[in-house]
Amino acid sequence: EAQVTQNPRYLITVTGKKLTVTCSQNMNHEYMSWYRQDPGLGLRQIYYSMNVEVTDKGDVPEGYKVSRKEKRNFPLILESPSPNQTSLYFCASSSGTGQTYGYTFGSGTRLTVV
Amino acid sequence: AQSVAQPEDQVNVAEGNPLTVKCTYSVSGNPYLFWYVQYPNRGLQFLLKYITGDNLVKGSYGFEAEFNKSQTSFHLKKPSALVSDSALYFCAVRDMNGRWDSSYKLIFGSGTRLLVRP
Repeated sequence: EAQVTQNPRYLITVTGKKLTVTCSQNMNHEYMSWYRQDPGLGLRQIYYSMNVEVTDKGDVPEGYKVSRKEKRNFPLILESPSPNQTSLYFCASSSGTGQTYGYTFGSGTRLTVV
Repeated sequence: AQSVAQPEDQVNVAEGNPLTVKCTYSVSGNPYLFWYVQYPNRGLQFLLKYITGDNLVKGSYGFEAEFNKSQTSFHLKKPSALVSDSALYFCAVRDMNGRWDSSYKLIFGSGTRLLVRP
């Protein structure tokens, strides 16, 4: 089954403790992206990647890092989480070609930073 | 700058009645438009898209949307609402005349919560 897999689904952590949210897709998509969802703000892009070793900032990149060492994986790293990073995070991928032009989303990671 | 507006935080409708969830957009070039639905504790699921062609687009679960270029709108509609349609709906746009890498970017509206009462 074609899918984007995120882990963990839920995470509670303390301020300053480094964490990584993993994302993996099995569709051989070139494009991957991370979004955060906050009430009243919709989804805002954090980082994106056009292909292996090619990453760039989205609209709200502060406090986050990403890497793209393999085509299928795109982890989101919070080096020193803060309470304002409490949010619902989504990973997405897209081929950008063919008939879809849309994204396939993961199930989300709900992060709470206390 | 590209943007998407969903002017209603919440839409309430009785089961069996028609529903409309509004979306307007602003892009510099040609828009590719999408609707996604999010059920509680789930990711976003694709409903339908407009790329080109007929202005009325049909999608999953009986939903449809009408692209109106002059009004820069892409409202989501369904002739007869079901209680199971209750969810959070997001409109999104891709600007296909931008940089080749930024044209992959989906810009989302703030979301509209649809409540269908029995």
